[in-house]
Amino acid sequence: EPEVTQTPSHQVTQMGQEVILRCVPISNHLYFYWYRQILGQKVEFLVSFYNNEISEKSEIFDDQFSVERPDGSNFTLKIRSTKLEDSAMYFCASSERPSNEQFFGPGTRLTVL
Amino acid sequence: AQSVSQHNHHVILSEAASLELGCNYSYGGTVNLFWYVQYPGQHLQLLLKYFSGDPLVKGIKGFEAEFIKSKFSFNLRKPSVQWSDTAEYFCAVSLYGGATNKLIFGTGTLLAVQP
Repeated sequence: EPEVTQTPSHQVTQMGQEVILRCVPISNHLYFYWYRQILGQKVEFLVSFYNNEISEKSEIFDDQFSVERPDGSNFTLKIRSTKLEDSAMYFCASSERPSNEQFFGPGTRLTVL
Repeated sequence: AQSVSQHNHHVILSEAASLELGCNYSYGGTVNLFWYVQYPGQHLQLLLKYFSGDPLVKGIKGFEAEFIKSKFSFNLRKPSVQWSDTAEYFCAVSLYGGATNKLIFGTGTLLAVQP
């Protein structure tokens, strides 16, 4: 069964450093999402992406964040200058259509020191 | 703003006990409703979903949920839990017909089933 994959599974970085989290959505899916979950809190929507542009973004998704689909398979989330409060599990998801089920990847645990 | 509430943060049951996890949402329009499950060390998986039609929805592994529009609720049920149901359960909502279908999650309920 096709699945969403994410790399790395765990990223440790120093405050102020840039990180890039990578996702490979399911191949025939057109809608892509990033969510995050801070330890002990709920899963929060960050951004959705369709047709090579952002469809919607949350208040969390400020200028420090960016997303890109650099090729036909990868979907990346970049945090330019990480803060301590960016430490969280980051989930990528994809769906065939906006009304369909979203399939989630296993997540990347980001730890900012 | 839309929100989702899950009333039970941590539930402990013995095997064969019945399960009901509460979920309420706040939004006046038409919604799509989901229950996701996250088993230890695994990613979020869809248990069941409601878009329209019969408000009683059956999902995988014997789970079901009932959408009660008047109560803005979508409670998850299972008549007899197993040890393998130990996991975290998330209720989620998206706006029907929305351009992006972003999911709004509840805080999750951690279920521990004791053998």
